[in-house]
Amino acid sequence: NAGVTQTPKFQVLKTGQSMTLQCAQDMNHEYMSWYRQDPGMGLRLIHYSVGAGITDQGEVPNGYNVSRSTTEDFPLRLLSAAPSQTSVYFCASRPDRGRGYTFGSGTRLTVV
Amino acid sequence: GQQLNQSPQSMFIQEGEDVSMNCTSSSIFNTWLWYKQDPGEGPVLLIALYKAGELTSNGRLTAQFGITRKDSFLNISASIPSDVGIYFCAGLWSGNTGKLIFGQGTTLQVKP
Repeated sequence: NAGVTQTPKFQVLKTGQSMTLQCAQDMNHEYMSWYRQDPGMGLRLIHYSVGAGITDQGEVPNGYNVSRSTTEDFPLRLLSAAPSQTSVYFCASRPDRGRGYTFGSGTRLTVV
Repeated sequence: GQQLNQSPQSMFIQEGEDVSMNCTSSSIFNTWLWYKQDPGEGPVLLIALYKAGELTSNGRLTAQFGITRKDSFLNISASIPSDVGIYFCAGLWSGNTGKLIFGQGTTLQVKP
């Protein structure tokens, strides 16, 4: 049972490049979310999903796309990276009637 | 924008002292959660609160769900060096159980 697995752990992108941050969980959790963490800002919700095929926007969705084709995977896509997207990204999951979200260890992204 | 106001932003205390931090919101939440984050790691759930007025303990940690459902506090008694980290409150939206919103965090430093 690996929990929530995020890849890669570190990434450097050039402005305008695209990439996908991967997130997988092996706990059969219904709910999954993506957050970004910036100094002094806490964790801000980007997108979330309440089940396969269902996604919704969070607090800061602009510049990011998500899809949820399976229960296990919830990738986050940056279509055209900007320096303002430099951040630490966390993926999290929880069961339908769980106590709270379980977090991955994060992806540190730098856009130059 | 950020909908949870967490205070204080940072605390520097002596080992053995008690600590108190709180979170307020203009919105009503069904569930309040408290997380701790160590450097380079994802947040880890400490305490979950499900009912207005609920008081819950986890070892030296005690948290309460405010009567109005718009606030919560966390107390740490007899602090030790390993309590160092960032503490976050988080609220699970009353109308949508998938959407978890975080406060800005309280950075705790403990002097041995």
